[in-house]
Amino acid sequence: SQKIEQNSEALNIQEGKTATLTCNYTNYSPAYLQWYRQDPGRGPVFLLLIRENEKEKRKERLKVTFDTTLKQSLFHITASQPADSATYLCALRYSSASKIIFGSGTRLSIRP
Amino acid sequence: KAGVTQTPRYLIKTRGQQVTLSCSPISGHRSVSWYQQTPGQGLQFLFEYFSETQRNKGNFPGRFSGRQFSNSRSEMNVSTLELGDSALYLCASSLGETGGNEAFFGQGTRLTVV
Repeated sequence: SQKIEQNSEALNIQEGKTATLTCNYTNYSPAYLQWYRQDPGRGPVFLLLIRENEKEKRKERLKVTFDTTLKQSLFHITASQPADSATYLCALRYSSASKIIFGSGTRLSIRP
Repeated sequence: KAGVTQTPRYLIKTRGQQVTLSCSPISGHRSVSWYQQTPGQGLQFLFEYFSETQRNKGNFPGRFSGRQFSNSRSEMNVSTLELGDSALYLCASSLGETGGNEAFFGQGTRLTVV
């Protein structure tokens, strides 16, 4: 069965640095890969979506890459701020009619 | 426009009881998905409904069921509750037509089984 793994449970970095989170999947490539942010006690909030035929997507300080050869997506937050501290979830979907599968998340902490 | 609304926000039930959770999607969204989130297991997919039909189902026992109404509102039911069912239950809605659409989550229902 399809598996999706996020590289680490927790990541601590200094304010101002670039945070890089990794998402790896097995088997065949999804049609869509998404990243969400979740704060404690709240539902996940959508951040970015990247399609199978796209290499990179940007939104303000966020950047997502999608490498179907490595079966990997990288999520970058540049000029990180303490307010970026949260759990970030990677999710994939194989078709418009298939379910969305979530990774277990990476808890990011940005220290001042 | 209003976001996804889940009711109730908190619930305490006794083992063996049954519970019904409700989800009102964003207006115009036809797809509703349900997830169970626990510290150890992360977000686990329960089921997805699209236009009143169950489109996808996760690996949960038959005690977990759901339905969707003609106005896209959805309910999920858990019968014969077990301690292990204690979790945050999240509902997400999306347009569901062209696929790849982002999911908009509600605040969740925190269920505690004692």
